[in-house]
Amino acid sequence: AQSVTQLGSHVSVSEGALVLLRCNYSSSVPPYLFWYVQYPNQGLQLLLKYTTGATLVKGINGFEAEFKKSETSFHLTKPSAHMSDAAEYFCAANTDKLIFGTGTRLQVFP
Amino acid sequence: GAVVSQHPSRVICKSGTSVKIECRSLDFQATTMFWYRQFPKKSLMLMATSNEGSKATYEQGVEKDKFLINHASLTLSTLTVTSAHPEDSSFYICSASTSGRRNEQFFGPGTRLTVL
Repeated sequence: AQSVTQLGSHVSVSEGALVLLRCNYSSSVPPYLFWYVQYPNQGLQLLLKYTTGATLVKGINGFEAEFKKSETSFHLTKPSAHMSDAAEYFCAANTDKLIFGTGTRLQVFP
Repeated sequence: GAVVSQHPSRVICKSGTSVKIECRSLDFQATTMFWYRQFPKKSLMLMATSNEGSKATYEQGVEKDKFLINHASLTLSTLTVTSAHPEDSSFYICSASTSGRRNEQFFGPGTRLTVL
């Protein structure tokens, strides 16, 4: 069965610091992988996605993620956090249907 | 492009009444639409998948008679919560895809349902 695990339900960083949000997946077939961001009482906005090809994927707002098949990981990073990055982040995997991780709330302190 | 809207954004209803939520793809034709439910501080759980012109496929544990889904056109899907109860209170989010369950989904802004 397909599953997505996000380590750390809460991550706090200082403005300007590196952001690292962890995501591991379990799937019997290569999944498509996604990172979404959700602001309070809003829907999901796609940050980036991996389907095939280059394993380092660049997304919007300076985020990027690297697909590592050997580690079954798809961690999200951003070199320098901004206050506006504070939100809930969801990793998701899709083989037959989209399965979400439990989410990571990112707090950014000034 | 790829904008999905939901209406209403927020609804409060009395227990026992039915509530309809609309999901529209504004600038593309969505052959497949999905309905998710999100509990407070929890992840999204897929409720059902609907393809235009055919019956929705419900996930295990989701009552099809409770949550009626209609996907009558390539731009509109509706979710009707019948005989709503307080435990149905939740954030409902739809998404739309151009084809297939594996393609990228575009999400609506969500509907906050509160049942008194």
